[in-house]
Amino acid sequence: KNQVEQSPQSLIILEGKNCTLQCNYTVSPFSNLRWYKQDTGRGPVSLTIMTFSENTKSNGRYTATLDADTKQSSLHITASQLSDSASYICVVRDSGGGADGLTFGKGTHLIIQP
Amino acid sequence: NAGVTQTPKFRILKIGQSMTLQCTQDMNHNYMYWYRQDPGMGLKLIYYSVGAGITDKGEVPNGYNVSRSTTEDFPLRLELAAPSQTSVYFCASKAALGYGGYGYTFGSGTRLTVV
Repeated sequence: KNQVEQSPQSLIILEGKNCTLQCNYTVSPFSNLRWYKQDTGRGPVSLTIMTFSENTKSNGRYTATLDADTKQSSLHITASQLSDSASYICVVRDSGGGADGLTFGKGTHLIIQP
Repeated sequence: NAGVTQTPKFRILKIGQSMTLQCTQDMNHNYMYWYRQDPGMGLKLIYYSVGAGITDKGEVPNGYNVSRSTTEDFPLRLELAAPSQTSVYFCASKAALGYGGYGYTFGSGTRLTVV
């Protein structure tokens, strides 16, 4: 069964600090991995998407990495801002066909304190 | 550009009641999806559609029905509400299967409580 595990479950950091969120997956056959940001009471918004051949992808202060060999990904947030407070969801897509092929992680709840 | 619009934002139902969650998108996307998000859990696919007139079950379809009469609209129907259907429901759309871009656009969600 395809699974996506995220850690930590929740994280509190001070404004201006950096942080790294982790995602481990057992999805096969792998197609791509996405990171989403979900603000409280809102739908998820895409941050990055990476295919098998991509190791790193950035979107402003967000940098995602992918190690397809170890089936791990990370999302690094640089110089955090209060607006970064949200849940960050790792989503892995398989290429097996049918439905949406997506397996969602449970998310990491990030709180930025002033 | 409104994207994906869901109504209502909140709803309280009594056990056994029925309701329809509305979803409409103005991006001319072929693919549309309904997910539910339970507290502390990842999103689960309920139903999806690859185009007008075509729908199929996802991972957790029991207790729900959908229709897709137009490209824009993809309503989700709950016929006999049960407490287990208390959740936040998200509608999403995508231009085409296998699109390598950012792909999915999500609505803001409908928070449903069944009492």
